Amino acid sequence: SQTIHQWPATLVQPVGSPLSLECTVEGTSNPNLYWYRQAAGRGLQLLFYSVGIGQISSEVPQNLSASRPQDRQFILSSKKLLLSDSGFYLCAWSDIPLPGLSDGYTFGSGTRLTVV
Amino acid sequence: AQTVTQSQPEMSVQEAETVTLSCTYDTSESNYYLFWYKQPPSRQMILVIRQEAYKQQNATENRFSVNFQKAAKSFSLKISDSQLGDTAMYFCAFKNGQNFVFGPGTRLSVLP
Repeated sequence: SQTIHQWPATLVQPVGSPLSLECTVEGTSNPNLYWYRQAAGRGLQLLFYSVGIGQISSEVPQNLSASRPQDRQFILSSKKLLLSDSGFYLCAWSDIPLPGLSDGYTFGSGTRLTVV
Repeated sequence: AQTVTQSQPEMSVQEAETVTLSCTYDTSESNYYLFWYKQPPSRQMILVIRQEAYKQQNATENRFSVNFQKAAKSFSLKISDSQLGDTAMYFCAFKNGQNFVFGPGTRLSVLP
């Protein structure tokens, strides 16, 4: 069966420090991968999605970047964190790219990032 | 902007009994989907059930069923014959396009 792993679960980082969040998927090949963020009191916002190795699409211009060095690995990074980067980050995967309205995703367990 | 509210932060139920988790949402959209996700402790979120807004028939998946009241913007989840493995956080979610709006979650404990 397919599983998705995301770490760390919680992270406290000072302003201006770098960030690296990792997400890996097992049990499937060529998954479509997504990074979402939920700011406090708000819904999930799609940040990046990837349909293949080295293919990254950005939905929201910001202080973050994403990379996909391997088929089942998706990394969210920042060179210098801002206070506004605090939030709950979720990695997700799906069988088809940008699933239609009716499709759910399989989400990871999330990373709660606090920038201080 | 869409919002999703789950008014029950925590609930508990005896094994084999039935429990209902509440969810209300607010949107001006007419075409959307609603989901219930389950997240066991430190585990990935799992899709439990989904409902299309234009379908009046309530969705059912084995022991899980929903009561969808579109006019009232209510989407509750009923778990029948509760099992110990149902212990988890349950998130109600609204989806329009590629954006999800999640509720704050309800922590459900199934007691032996």
